Amino acid sequence: DQQVKQNSPSLSVQEGRISILNCDYTNSMFDYFLWYKKYPAEGPTFLISISSIKDKNEDGRFTVFLNKSAKHLSLHIVPSQPGDSAVYFCAASGPTDSWGKLQFGAGTQVVVTP
Amino acid sequence: DAGITQSPRYKITETGRQVTLMCHQTWSHSYMFWYRQDLGHGLRLIYYSAAADITDKGEVPDGYVVSRSKTENFPLTLESATRSQTSVYFCARSEARDTGELFFGEGSRLTVL
Repeated sequence: DQQVKQNSPSLSVQEGRISILNCDYTNSMFDYFLWYKKYPAEGPTFLISISSIKDKNEDGRFTVFLNKSAKHLSLHIVPSQPGDSAVYFCAASGPTDSWGKLQFGAGTQVVVTP
Repeated sequence: DAGITQSPRYKITETGRQVTLMCHQTWSHSYMFWYRQDLGHGLRLIYYSAAADITDKGEVPDGYVVSRSKTENFPLTLESATRSQTSVYFCARSEARDTGELFFGEGSRLTVL
């Protein structure tokens, strides 16, 4: 059973607007969350992460919000740019997991239109 | 540049054949991983290695074998390929937990007929 869920397989957004990607998890032991971005025919690349001791982390146009009580995190991209068109994966790990043992969501395909 | 080279990039094989996917890192990071990507499942961990000669199972290890005799190489072998192993395979390396980052190769797309 998937412990990390991205329920929106796709998202279309206009250039300049905000993209909001959502991710839910079921394992309350998860304490570290990451977002990866993937272009076709390339490997995923790390985007941003957040520890469970925080509720927000920002890096340029990307902000991740964590709501532990709801077991929910979201990635905001502001403003969205055409180069942001990619698949975005949410991932999580727990304190007892060896490093790199991530649980990934199924991904959300983002399309940024002019 | 993720510093991970995977080969072959594309492979077509038949059911029952043995296939080895190669992974080489140009760094000397301790941790290396094999993930597979399938539609609807995201990426799932097959095997990982914390150091040379230390490997452990991930979420979906059945039908796969790994070895790590040298720090920089981490080959993945499908001993008898099945159609369900048709997938895109990603090798990754990592340095440390607090960087929060895995560096992935470009992937190997395997089709089992």
